[in-house]
Amino acid sequence: EDQVTQSPEALRLQEGESSSLNCSYTVSGLRGLFWYRQDPGKGPEFLFTLYSAGEEKEKERLKATLTKKESFLHITAPKPEDSATYLCAVGNDMRFGAGTRLTVKP
Amino acid sequence: NAGVTQTPKFQVLKTGQSMTLQCAQDMNHNSMYWYRQDPGMGLRLIYYSASEGTTDKGEVPNGYNVSRLNKREFSLRLESAAPSQTSVYFCASSEDFSVYSRRANEQFFGPGTRLTVL
Repeated sequence: EDQVTQSPEALRLQEGESSSLNCSYTVSGLRGLFWYRQDPGKGPEFLFTLYSAGEEKEKERLKATLTKKESFLHITAPKPEDSATYLCAVGNDMRFGAGTRLTVKP
Repeated sequence: NAGVTQTPKFQVLKTGQSMTLQCAQDMNHNSMYWYRQDPGMGLRLIYYSASEGTTDKGEVPNGYNVSRLNKREFSLRLESAAPSQTSVYFCASSEDFSVYSRRANEQFFGPGTRLTVL
């Protein structure tokens, strides 16, 4: 059975303190690794798709990378407005991880 | 362009009651999905419709039924609600999903329905 595991469950950062979120997966023949952002009381919002090991995507302070076993979401110099839950999912069977709840303090 | 819309936003049911959650998308997407989200468990797929006229079970289909009414609309029905079905329900759509495709597309989500079963 495919598995998607995210760590840490929660992360508290000071504004400007860079860090990374991890998404490890076990799936045969990956058909896409997706990152979403979810704000409280709202639906997930698409951020990135990665298809091949070595691929990288960037958007503002966020950078997503992919290996054959895991993906990282790097957050550089975060701001309070980056506070949200970040979800990853594999495209084979739309299986999601439990998410990482990020809080950025000013 | 509203994207994905869901009704109702909130609902409280008693055990044994039935209800239908409605979802519509205006992006001309072929594929639609229903998820539930529980604390600490992330999103779990209930049912999906790869294209108009087809529906398939996801990870947690028991206690639910779905109808793909047309290309735009995909409904989720609880025939006899149970407290274990208390959750937040999200509908999503994507351009195209096929088990034969080498690449999956990103999904677009609605705002969710918060359901409480007493």
